[in-house]
Amino acid sequence: AQKITQTQPGMFVQEKEAVTLDCTYDTSDPSYGLFWYKQPSSGEMIFLIYQGSYDQQNATEGRYSLNFQKARKSANLVISASQLGDSAMYFCAMREVNTGNQFYFGTGTSLTVIP
Amino acid sequence: GAVVSQHPSRVICKSGTSVKIECRSLDFQATTMFWYRQFPKQSLMLMATSNEGSKATYEQGVEKDKFLINHASLTLSTLTVTSAHPEDSSFYICSARSHDSAQSWAYGYTFGSGTRLTVV
Repeated sequence: AQKITQTQPGMFVQEKEAVTLDCTYDTSDPSYGLFWYKQPSSGEMIFLIYQGSYDQQNATEGRYSLNFQKARKSANLVISASQLGDSAMYFCAMREVNTGNQFYFGTGTSLTVIP
Repeated sequence: GAVVSQHPSRVICKSGTSVKIECRSLDFQATTMFWYRQFPKQSLMLMATSNEGSKATYEQGVEKDKFLINHASLTLSTLTVTSAHPEDSSFYICSARSHDSAQSWAYGYTFGSGTRLTVV
């Protein structure tokens, strides 16, 4: 079974509007972390936000927030006030404490911000 | 913040030759280095994990004799694609775990900028 599922291959959003990128995950480990990374066309992976499985509150980092719904096993990324520079691939990822170091990545969502 | 320098960013090589990709941690000691491969429009797949001074651990299906990983120091890890063939063309990216990050499990991972390998 897929550890991380991103069902939106491509998304469009108008500049200055908010957009939600979906991510669901599958794990039996009670201790895990969820991550979002941005990958522009240049290729580097830019860390955006982290949510721990025991965190009570949703993580926020500037314009990024993570809508963590543990019972549904979803960890959607919300980008507020989209900017043209937000156009990129976005990957949801998970690490499990019991499997230690490995990141499990989703297939990514390509976000295009329209002026 | 932590920076991982990866070189080269792009390389084109002839089939049958070997290519070396370097990842250097610039301002921290990378106890563990991860190497990923990414095909176009696909996700990152872990190839191998290396700890400084020891042999790399390869994921199932990854040929260790073809993808040689060396992690001889706490600041340098290399991936050598030996006898490269067109099917090895891909985007390779490293990720380093910081030795002394207080929250290293959550935040102590830094990715390199990636290497786009094209084998002709």
